[in-house]
Amino acid sequence: DGGITQSPKYLFRKEGQNVTLSCEQNLNHDAMYWYRQDPGQGLRLIYYSQIVNDFQKGDIAEGYSVSREKKESFPLTVTSAQKNPTAFYLCASSARDSRSETQYFGPGTRLLVL
Amino acid sequence: AQKVTQAQTEISVVEKEDVTLDCVYETRDTTYYLFWYKQPPSGELVFLIRRNSFDEQNEISGRYSWNFQKSTSSFNFTITASQVVDSAVYFCALSRAGANNLFFGTGTRLTVIP
Repeated sequence: DGGITQSPKYLFRKEGQNVTLSCEQNLNHDAMYWYRQDPGQGLRLIYYSQIVNDFQKGDIAEGYSVSREKKESFPLTVTSAQKNPTAFYLCASSARDSRSETQYFGPGTRLLVL
Repeated sequence: AQKVTQAQTEISVVEKEDVTLDCVYETRDTTYYLFWYKQPPSGELVFLIRRNSFDEQNEISGRYSWNFQKSTSSFNFTITASQVVDSAVYFCALSRAGANNLFFGTGTRLTVIP
């Protein structure tokens, strides 16, 4: 089945620790995205990538980093600089880098701080 | 600036009732796209519909229908004969033509009571 997978489903972070969230897609989509969702709020864009080895900051990139070494993969690292990382993280992808294409989402990773 | 407002935070209906979820948007662009997503308790966002600003035709898909009115900057979503499986958070979103960012409303939590 084609789709987007995210792992782990739940992730616990200790103070001062970097953690990496995985996102993989087998839809052959060019563009991939990371969003953050806080309780009772909509999603906010962290980073996006239109092609391999290229990515751009979204609205709330501070304290996060990404890489795009393969078309299928777009991991997100939550660094110790992110002071309030507890949230639900959603990865998405879209068909072409022509933009405004429909974004399809993965199942999400819930990050909690110990 | 782009903005999406979903004024209804929570709605409860009894099964088989019809329900309309409101979405009002703001944009200065003449070309833009509107979306509705469903987020069930599992957390994954499920794509429901995409509409471009030049297509004001209403759309019906089974029990779902959408009413797009540019004159009032609204893109409302109606579920006919609601079912318990419709219980979820529904998000309206807006993107500019040629842009990667989706601007989300804060969502409406729909609870369908059996």
